[in-house]
Amino acid sequence: ELKVEQNPLFLSMQEGKNYTIYCNYSTTSDRLYWYRQDPGKSLESLFVLLSNGAVKQEGRLMASLDTKARLSTLHITAAVHDLSATYFCAVDALLTGGGNKLTFGTGTQLKVEL
Amino acid sequence: DTEVTQTPKHLVMGMTNKKSLKCEQHMGHRAMYWYKQKAKKPPELMFVYSYEKLSINESVPSRFSPECPNSSLLNLHLHALQPEDSALYLCASSQVHLFYGYTFGSGTRLTVV
Repeated sequence: ELKVEQNPLFLSMQEGKNYTIYCNYSTTSDRLYWYRQDPGKSLESLFVLLSNGAVKQEGRLMASLDTKARLSTLHITAAVHDLSATYFCAVDALLTGGGNKLTFGTGTQLKVEL
Repeated sequence: DTEVTQTPKHLVMGMTNKKSLKCEQHMGHRAMYWYKQKAKKPPELMFVYSYEKLSINESVPSRFSPECPNSSLLNLHLHALQPEDSALYLCASSQVHLFYGYTFGSGTRLTVV
């Protein structure tokens, strides 16, 4: 059974600081996703990482994937208050009957202090 | 149209009621999914439909009954729910082949009283 772990679970940081969220998964997969979720809202897709060594950047967020280590990171540069949210990584597996099963990590609740 | 539309956005139902959640997409995606998300927890997969056929049921209680009447529509029929079933229910869709990721709907916030 695929397991996806994130750390830390909670992250309180000051504006302007840098930090990294880690995502480890237990079985081979070539597709990893990062989502943002604001309280009471649905999931917002941030990044889709499709191959080993993939690196994607959007604004203050940068995501990378190492499929050999089964590790993805989400790096936050010079955090701002608007980045406060819960961040999930997710890994999917192809189903023999069609479709895919997406398994989410535990989530990281990020709070950026003004 | 690049959206997944879920209705209703909020639903309050009693334990003896029957209600349905609706999910619709017009992106030509042939895989559709239901996820359940409890407060402060990650979403958990409930059902997967591929080409309008049930592909996976993650041991979901029978009081939840999915239906995929056509390639654009996915329903979740609810009957005799328990208060612990209160959660955010998310629908998603994707292509089956040439996979480019998932599109999630805005969710239905369900409260069982």
